[in-house]
Order: sequence, then structure tokens, then C-alpha cells
Amino acid sequence: DPKIIQKPKYLVAVTGSEKILICEQYLGHNAMYWYRQSAKKPLEFMFSYSYQKLMDNQTASSRFQPQSSKKNHLDLQITALKPDDSATYFCASSQEAGGQDTQYFGPGTRLLVL
Amino acid sequence: GQQVQQSPASLVLQEGENAELQCNFSTSLNSMQWFYQRPGGSLVSLFYNPSGTKHSGRLTSTTVIKERRSSLHISSSQTTDSGTYLCALEITGNTGKLIFGLGTTLQVQP
Repeated sequence: DPKIIQKPKYLVAVTGSEKILICEQYLGHNAMYWYRQSAKKPLEFMFSYSYQKLMDNQTASSRFQPQSSKKNHLDLQITALKPDDSATYFCASSQEAGGQDTQYFGPGTRLLVL
Repeated sequence: GQQVQQSPASLVLQEGENAELQCNFSTSLNSMQWFYQRPGGSLVSLFYNPSGTKHSGRLTSTTVIKERRSSLHISSSQTTDSGTYLCALEITGNTGKLIFGLGTTLQVQP
């Protein structure tokens, strides 16, 4: 059974619309993260959460808003979508944030903005 | 400049050959992880290795902090090893942020 679930797997959106990317982890971890991978670029850190609190935000735009309704959930809301937002978005988790723990990644959501 | 540099960018091997992948970093770190990214995109954690040498089957990871480098050795490569290998470092701090390299794309031919 997958331990980190991301939904949907693929997503096509129109410019200007809003989408929510879902992430749930069943590893019992206290820290969750979002990363983005665009073509020809390294995986890029976006956010880290620990015990449902924001620890780090490296995303310049407020159009990206994480939402944590439960300890094992960290969704990503993206508003006013732009073609440049097209990327694969990965959710990850670890036992603790900054605890020098292994991070485990979900399968990703591939977003295409037209 | 980029904090994590991986080399080579790509590598083609014949099945059975060995590979040595390098990761150099320009900042102090809390930890180093190696990942395998499948052609479909998902990431698999291979090693969490902040220092020293670790083994897992045909894979060996060695991190030398003083020299700011980490390596991944693949012995007796198989076609199923094809994919992209990523190193990521967690810099000093307590947010869990990982900084990734661009990866080494490995193709193992039968």
C-alpha cells in the first residue's frame, strides 16, 4: 500500500483558475513538505510544515498556499494559475523537520497549465 | 551558484559495468540523501548518509564532509538501474529543507 498518497496524478488547468493538490501520508510522520520539479531544473523546495505549523516558505508567490487540516495532510492550493506553474509537484514527509531524518516522497502530481 | 553539483550529467553503461556518481556541495550540511527517480517520475530514497560509507546490495554511498562531496557507487549494473540519480543535502538549520542537484541520468544497455 502506498504510504504517501497524492491526488490527482495528472491535472490540466486553464490560466487564471485555481486548483488544490492533495497529499496524505500514512507513515506517522510529524513533518511534511512540498517540492516542485520543472523541466531542466532541480527539484525545488517550496514549504515545510511541522506539527501542522509552517516552518519554512521558499515560495515567493502568495498564490501558493499550503493547507493542513490534519496532522497527516498537507494540501497545496494554487490560485491564479499561470503556464509557468506547469510542473510536477511532490509531497514528502519525515519523522521530524530538521531532525536529520530520511524524507520520503509521494508519487507526484503532474500539473499542466494551458 | 548552484549549491549542489552532480557529475556526470549522463552516463551510458553496458550491463555488468560499474558506475561512480559524484555529488559536490558548497555549503555545510546536516545530512545528505541519495534518491533514484524512476522514468515515470517517482522518487525512491536510496541512502540517508550524512557521513561515512553505507552499503545496500549493489549500491554504496560515501560522504566525506571535509571534502564536501558524496558519491554513489553502483556495481554490476543492470538494465533496471536506468533512471536518474539525485543527491540532496539538508543544510544546517531545522526546517528540513532539501537542496537537490540536477541529477545523473543513467542508461544501462543490455
